[in-house]
Amino acid sequence: GAVVSQHPSRVICKSGTSVKIECRSLDFQATTMFWYRQFPKQSLMLMATSNEGSKATYEQGVEKDKFLINHASLTLSTLTVTSAHPEDSSFYICSAESSYNSPLHFGNGTRLTVT
Amino acid sequence: SQQGEEDPQALSIQEGENATMNCSYKTSINNLQWYRQNSGRGLVHLILIRSNEREKHSGRLRVTLDTSKKSSSLLITASRAADTASYFCATEPINTGTASKLTFGTGTRLQVTL
Repeated sequence: GAVVSQHPSRVICKSGTSVKIECRSLDFQATTMFWYRQFPKQSLMLMATSNEGSKATYEQGVEKDKFLINHASLTLSTLTVTSAHPEDSSFYICSAESSYNSPLHFGNGTRLTVT
Repeated sequence: SQQGEEDPQALSIQEGENATMNCSYKTSINNLQWYRQNSGRGLVHLILIRSNEREKHSGRLRVTLDTSKKSSSLLITASRAADTASYFCATEPINTGTASKLTFGTGTRLQVTL
């Protein structure tokens, strides 16, 4: 089955630093990947839609200069949290679509803690 | 917010019992999907039901969809301790283009005890 690998699974960083999270589709090509944020015991909130070879589409209220998304190839999308602050601490999850109208395949998430 | 609502928020049952979770949503949809999330992990797709379907089965899972009421239910029969997880419904609205831009419900945390 389709596998999405997300790395790192956990990261602790100091306030003001930047953190990069990678999302790879291992055995399929993903023209579209999605990035979500999830607070404890809450649902997933879509942050942005990442399209291969073009700019990401951000949801309302998500700062594109804060959360940089790059989708350089059909198997890799990255999310960089720039100048991280404690309020950016959260669980970030990516997903990828192997074909239109097919179920999404999710990475295992990244727990970001900003101290 | 276009986010769907799920109830109950939390459900605790004993192994062998059935678990029913409900989901309500707000917009017209192409399909509705159910996902499972173990604590601290990503989501795993369970089942997809299209807007023109009313019921679907997959193993111990049974999903219903009532588009007139904009609601769905997920039934897990003969539950096992390993079913302990959070369950989310997700809807794909009509006219989202080429990407499956899903809206997730608030989730139901299921605890199955021995």
